[in-house]
Amino acid sequence: AQSVTQLGSHVSVSEGALVLLRCNYSSSVPPYLFWYVQYPNQGLQLLLKYTTGATLVKGINGFEAEFKKSETSFHLTKPSAHMSDAAEYFCAVSDVRGAQKLVFGQGTRLTINP
Amino acid sequence: NAGVTQTPKFQVLKTGQSMTLQCAQDMNHEYMSWYRQDPGMGLRLIHYSVGAGITDQGEVPNGYNVSRSTTEDFPLRLLSAAPSQTSVYFCASRRKGSAYGYTFGSGTRLTVV
Repeated sequence: AQSVTQLGSHVSVSEGALVLLRCNYSSSVPPYLFWYVQYPNQGLQLLLKYTTGATLVKGINGFEAEFKKSETSFHLTKPSAHMSDAAEYFCAVSDVRGAQKLVFGQGTRLTINP
Repeated sequence: NAGVTQTPKFQVLKTGQSMTLQCAQDMNHEYMSWYRQDPGMGLRLIHYSVGAGITDQGEVPNGYNVSRSTTEDFPLRLLSAAPSQTSVYFCASRRKGSAYGYTFGSGTRLTVV
């Protein structure tokens, strides 16, 4: 069975600082990996995804993530945080066999300090 | 360009009542899913469908029924509401083909008293 662990339910950074949100996954087959962002009282919006090919994936709003198979990780980064980045972020995994099923991590709430 | 539309946005039910959460998408997506979101637990899959007439259970299906008579609609039915079903419910859809991500609706916040 697949699973996702997001390290840290809350992360706080200063405006302009590096954002690093950690995600580790467990999968017995090659995974497809996703990061979603949820702003208050809204649905989830796809930030970026890894399916095949280049392991460094760039997404919207300046975010990127790197798939590291040896570490079973898919950490999300952004070089310089902006106040508008404050939201909850979810990492999710699926695979080619069960691609209609997404398994989500528990989420990380990102706070940006002025 | 509506995407995934969920109704209602808010609902309060009494224990034992039934209701249907509506979900419609206008993108001709084959796959649709229902998730519930609870604090500290992320999103958990309730039911999903890979096409009209085809549904299957997810991680937490008990207490919920679904049907998919058309490509566009995927309603979620609560037959006898319980306080444990207090949650935020999200419907999502995507194109067939594993490289695609899901598009989510804005959610229905359900409280069962």
